[in-house]
Amino acid sequence: QSVLTQPPSVSAAPGQKVTISCSGSSSNIGNNYVSWYQQLPGTAPKLLIYENNRRPSGIPDRLSGSQSGTSATLGITGLQTGDEADYYCGTWDSSLSAGVFGTGTKVTVL
Amino acid sequence: QVQLQESGPGLVKPSETLSLTCTVSDGSISSFYWSWIRQPPGKGLEWIGYIYYSGSTNYNPSLNSRVTISVDMSKNQFSLRLRSVTAADTAVYYCARDDGTTSFDYWGQGALVTVSS
Repeated sequence: QSVLTQPPSVSAAPGQKVTISCSGSSSNIGNNYVSWYQQLPGTAPKLLIYENNRRPSGIPDRLSGSQSGTSATLGITGLQTGDEADYYCGTWDSSLSAGVFGTGTKVTVL
Repeated sequence: QVQLQESGPGLVKPSETLSLTCTVSDGSISSFYWSWIRQPPGKGLEWIGYIYYSGSTNYNPSLNSRVTISVDMSKNQFSLRLRSVTAADTAVYYCARDDGTTSFDYWGQGALVTVSS
């Protein structure tokens, strides 16, 4: 059972914006960096955001991350059909002394 | 560009030991944290543990008693051993590089391991 909670699914039309929330606690999101991953069907996760809001080289700026208190958010603007995937947040949990991931969110482009 | 590749048996019998190796190429295993992450079919990601190149380790408390992660610097490899497996350990197992902030920037393609007699 994950300690980070995400909505099971979000959807929007092409060109629109979606946001995915990741809710945790002071032992994880509240005091550690959050990262975000995209997982296309049958493939390994891909890093989209690290250190709450930084993008690795090659990740477009229509993806953004933010963190406030014990929650984090991934935003995707200019939604494309290629964005249909599962998205996961991740961080360290200082109480568990373990890495933790969110429950995952499926993004559907209508 | 760092590349990671998992290798090992795709089928393990219940109560036996699951063993996987991750080979790191186009980059040294010296420095960074090296992790194992798994994903049961149709489910989410679960962090198994990491090893630092120096040999220090940290494991998921839920698996701690059954897991060992080791590193072989001479071969640029790190390995996972999971003892006393059951059907609940059936999953795709990924190796990944952790930059030190629990951010996984490079991943292997994943290895499906099925636990069945």
